[in-house]
Amino acid sequence: DSGVTQTPKHLITATGQRVTLRCSPRSGDLSVYWYQQSLDQGLQFLIQYYNGEERAKGNILERFSAQQFPDLHSELNLSSLELGDSALYFCASSVNPGPSSGNTIYFGEGSWLTVV
Amino acid sequence: DAKTTQPTSMDCAEGRAANLPCNHSTISGNEYVYWYRQIHSQGPQYIIHGLKNNETNEMASLIITEDRKSSTLILPHATLRDTAVYYCIVRLSGGSNYKLTFGKGTLLTVNP
Repeated sequence: DSGVTQTPKHLITATGQRVTLRCSPRSGDLSVYWYQQSLDQGLQFLIQYYNGEERAKGNILERFSAQQFPDLHSELNLSSLELGDSALYFCASSVNPGPSSGNTIYFGEGSWLTVV
Repeated sequence: DAKTTQPTSMDCAEGRAANLPCNHSTISGNEYVYWYRQIHSQGPQYIIHGLKNNETNEMASLIITEDRKSSTLILPHATLRDTAVYYCIVRLSGGSNYKLTFGKGTLLTVNP
């Protein structure tokens, strides 16, 4: 158990819909990362937040957005869903925003999204 | 981040040591070597990381060559539960590039 909690574990929704994935980081971790893993793309970095502020952006679609709240939990919002958005979405957390001193990132177990 | 090269797949007999190589010939002085693994559809699991010196923890050992252009992850006594995709990642120790960039990794299959 990494200490990173993600909900829901599984989600099935229709095309065009909007969903919200939630992540609670490890106790004491201020930085949250979101990754997407689909069968043909591998693990792709989407976005990172540190203490409520966006720190880095990866291959995140405009239909997707995220935020980190004052209690440090984060939500990833996916809208106008397409079949191709079906994937595993992972949240990860670390103490610091950057990799100094070998700051380690720990992953949650993911949220399975199926768009039908 | 420096690019890494890993074999696509490897086999290992249960109880034997699994040695997973990683080439990172363009690594720079302030980049760490990280190893993660992912058991089928589970979240990536941190294994170990190092900068220059060899490192050991309860899961594995990490051997980094003196020139830091390659490294080897060693699972001393592989079990069936070690079957997973292993990712070698090189990551900056400073600057703004904070994320982990995953490649395709090595699928390690531990056979009975």
